[in-house]
Parts: sequence; C-alpha cells; structure tokens
Amino acid sequence: DTAVSQTPKYLVTQMGNDKSIKCEQNLGHDTMYWYKQDSKKFLKIMFSYNNKELIINETVPNRFSPKSPDKAHLNLHINSLELGDSAVYFCASSQRRTEVRSYEQYFGPGTRLTVT
Amino acid sequence: AQSVAQPEDQVNVAEGNPLTVKCTYSVSGNPYLFWYVQYPNRGLQFLLKYITGDNLVKGSYGFEAEFNKSQTSFHLKKPSALVSDSALYFCAVRDLNNAGNMLTFGGGTRLMVKP
Repeated sequence: DTAVSQTPKYLVTQMGNDKSIKCEQNLGHDTMYWYKQDSKKFLKIMFSYNNKELIINETVPNRFSPKSPDKAHLNLHINSLELGDSAVYFCASSQRRTEVRSYEQYFGPGTRLTVT
Repeated sequence: AQSVAQPEDQVNVAEGNPLTVKCTYSVSGNPYLFWYVQYPNRGLQFLLKYITGDNLVKGSYGFEAEFNKSQTSFHLKKPSALVSDSALYFCAVRDLNNAGNMLTFGGGTRLMVKP
C-alpha cells in the first residue's frame, strides 16, 4: 500500500543515453513533483505538475521533461544524460484543490541515478 | 524569491537531552513552513507544518516547532532525544503566492543522537 512509488530504485547508465524514471501515487492527489538531491544532500525542485499545468524551475535543462499519462503518474524523461545528472531523484505528490487542500507533500523512496 | 537557511550542518545531542534544529526563512508573503526527516537511503517523511494559527505546532514522533514571525524562524524541537531520531532533517517553505505549490528546502541538518 505504498503511497508514492518510483521505479527503478537504482539506474546506472552511460553518458549520452536517454532514460526514464517512473512515479505513481495512490493518494488521489492532484499535484505531483520531481526533486533532485545532489551528493551534498541539497534538494531542489525541478517540476510541479497539476491538471496539465506544468511549472518548471527555470534552472532545469530542457533535456529533462516530465510526462503525465494520468493524474496518478508523473514520469521523468532525461535525454542525453550527462555526468552532472548523477543524483537521487525524488517524486512527490500533494493535494492542491482548495476544499481538501493539505499542503504537505509526500515523497517517494527515490531513484539513484549514476551516469558513467 | 523564497529561501530557507539551516545554519548547522550537524547537531549532536545525548540521548534523553532536549534537541533543537534551527531554521530561518525568507518569503515575500505569509509562509507555509514544513519539517521533513530523511533516514539513510529513504525518501523524505513529513513531520509537521505551520500554515496558520498557534505558533507552536506539534508533529510526528514527539517533535514540535515554533513559528516566530519577528525572527523569521521555525526551529524544530524535541524535549527528549532518542537514538532513533538520528537522521537528516530538512526545513522547507512555500510562499503563499508561489505558483505550483513548490517547496524550497534548506540545506539539511544532520542530527546525531548518542547513547
């Protein structure tokens, strides 16, 4: 009964490859996010996605693109991987709809991406 | 732009003693403030939040935090630390006017509780 799940847990790939990380939430939330945690544990928001409204952190390279097939899923696709993309990527979700807003975000277990 | 500062990279405390993990913030409007905990190789777990109301908020595992508007602080506290509290703690803020409900996190504070 995992609330927010991500696959794969570990991903090792070479520079230049294209890869995807999947995220699913079963909380019924209407907003999902992707965060990047670097080697110094610093967390940075990458995207917020709500009902087809995508808000992008301006520092995120356009090689990164979120794709949402439905409200419960927000996958992260990365083109032309670079060494600096190595990090742990976290998916999260929350409820924004006014009448049931809860504000806090619930995080997945993370995907450790290593680019060689 | 909103920002969060956690001035201590690490806090060491003996088991049974009170603990404080510091957080200060900067936002343009009213803040929504959060504390999260991260155990090794795990995702972040929500501990508590301040949205409005009482300045002292209580959360999971006996933790509490005090919102101080004049000092723009939201320090995390616990009266009696446990060894199992050892983890990485993150303070986060959301500006009321922030589109996308995106959180800005502090750099994290590692809490070490020694027996």
